Amino acid sequence: AIRMTQSPSSLSASTGDRVTITCRASQGISSYLAWYQQKPGKAPKLLIYAASTLQSGVPSRFSGSGSGTDFTLTISCLQSEDFATYYCQQYYSYPLTFGQGTRLEIK
Amino acid sequence: QVQLQESGPGLVKPSETLSLTCAVSGYSISSGYYWGWIRQPPGKGLEWIGSIYHSGSTYYNPSLKSRVTISVDTSKNQFSLKLSSVTAADTAVYYCARLTYYYGSGSYPRAFFDYWGQGTLVTVSS
Repeated sequence: AIRMTQSPSSLSASTGDRVTITCRASQGISSYLAWYQQKPGKAPKLLIYAASTLQSGVPSRFSGSGSGTDFTLTISCLQSEDFATYYCQQYYSYPLTFGQGTRLEIK
Repeated sequence: QVQLQESGPGLVKPSETLSLTCAVSGYSISSGYYWGWIRQPPGKGLEWIGSIYHSGSTYYNPSLKSRVTISVDTSKNQFSLKLSSVTAADTAVYYCARLTYYYGSGSYPRAFFDYWGQGTLVTVSS
């Protein structure tokens, strides 16, 4: 199975900050990577797929980049509603696997 | 708007079979897409369980494959999960989801989750 490793595991930031979360795959996955946002007690929400394509309705302050083994999710100007846990997921091969999550907290 | 809703017992005894159903509204399962199950133990990360196409074609996580069965009922527009011989380690929030997929260079669908149910907590305990 492809292992997905996110860093950092947790991050403190302030409203208005620019933050970057990294996801590394244990082997090359081309651009078959998705990012999700999960708030406490809620289901994950798709933000980005194909490494950099924004899902319909997702604010443009979210962006994704990368290919191969290294990927990033950037939030350009943090809003209060962005404090949540973020997961990456590879869909290059089975089993589908997720990163362990990055918890974004208010500083 | 696609909506998914999980249902089933919230408490299952050890060694018994966990059974959940996901009712889909706003989209006909027969029209396409893969449909799947993901779980999340309390305070932990996400684990893909398996996925199914309306034709019945399935993909399972090898770590659970010997205990998992996913089926689809197009007449009721729903799909189901059965997980046998459960233990406390199977305690989790179980989500159903729709998967958008692409066929790349491989012969298998490359899929991510675009619509999710709200999730249902299943506790394994005597």
